[in-house]
Amino acid sequence: AQSVTQPDIHITVSEGASLELRCNYSYGATPYLFWYVQSPGQGLQLLLKYFSGDTLVQGIKGFEAEFKRSQSSFNLRKPSVHWSDAAEYFCAVVSSGTYKYIFGTGTRLKVLA
Amino acid sequence: DTAVSQTPKYLVTQMGNDKSIKCEQNLGHDTMYWYKQDSKKFLKIMFSYNNKELIINETVPNRFSPKSPDKAHLNLHINSLELGDSAVYFCASSGTATLGYGYTFGSGTRLTVV
Repeated sequence: AQSVTQPDIHITVSEGASLELRCNYSYGATPYLFWYVQSPGQGLQLLLKYFSGDTLVQGIKGFEAEFKRSQSSFNLRKPSVHWSDAAEYFCAVVSSGTYKYIFGTGTRLKVLA
Repeated sequence: DTAVSQTPKYLVTQMGNDKSIKCEQNLGHDTMYWYKQDSKKFLKIMFSYNNKELIINETVPNRFSPKSPDKAHLNLHINSLELGDSAVYFCASSGTATLGYGYTFGSGTRLTVV
């Protein structure tokens, strides 16, 4: 069965520092991968997605993610974090056999001033 | 203009009551979803409709019944509410039921059963 693992429950970084959030997936074929951000009290917003082509994808708010098939990973990065990036981040994979999105358990990002 | 709107935003009710949550999208999307987010932020799909047709029906108690009167609306009715139903319920839509399209989420309905 498909699954998504986000190993880090909480991450704290200083404002201006670089960020990498990890996501590993379990899937037989090439997956469709997504990163979402959830600000407190809000719904989820799509940051970026990958399903083919260039393995480095650019998203909104200065985020990027790299698909690495050999490592079954789709890590999210940002070169310089802003205080407004503090939120919960979810990685998701779509099953090709159904239309179901499977979400990871999320990583809560805290940004220190 | 709100793309995916849910009402109410907060819902506090007693055990055993019946309640409904409404969702509307003005994006012209074909597919709508209900997700449940528990206290640990875990998101799990409950239902999905594509053009008013039910396409995903996860293992959810039959006290939960979705209804889609048209492709812009997907409502969730819950009978005989239980304490364990307390969660945030998110409605979402996507342009198509096929792969590769991200969701647009509503801002959620926080249901508290007391």
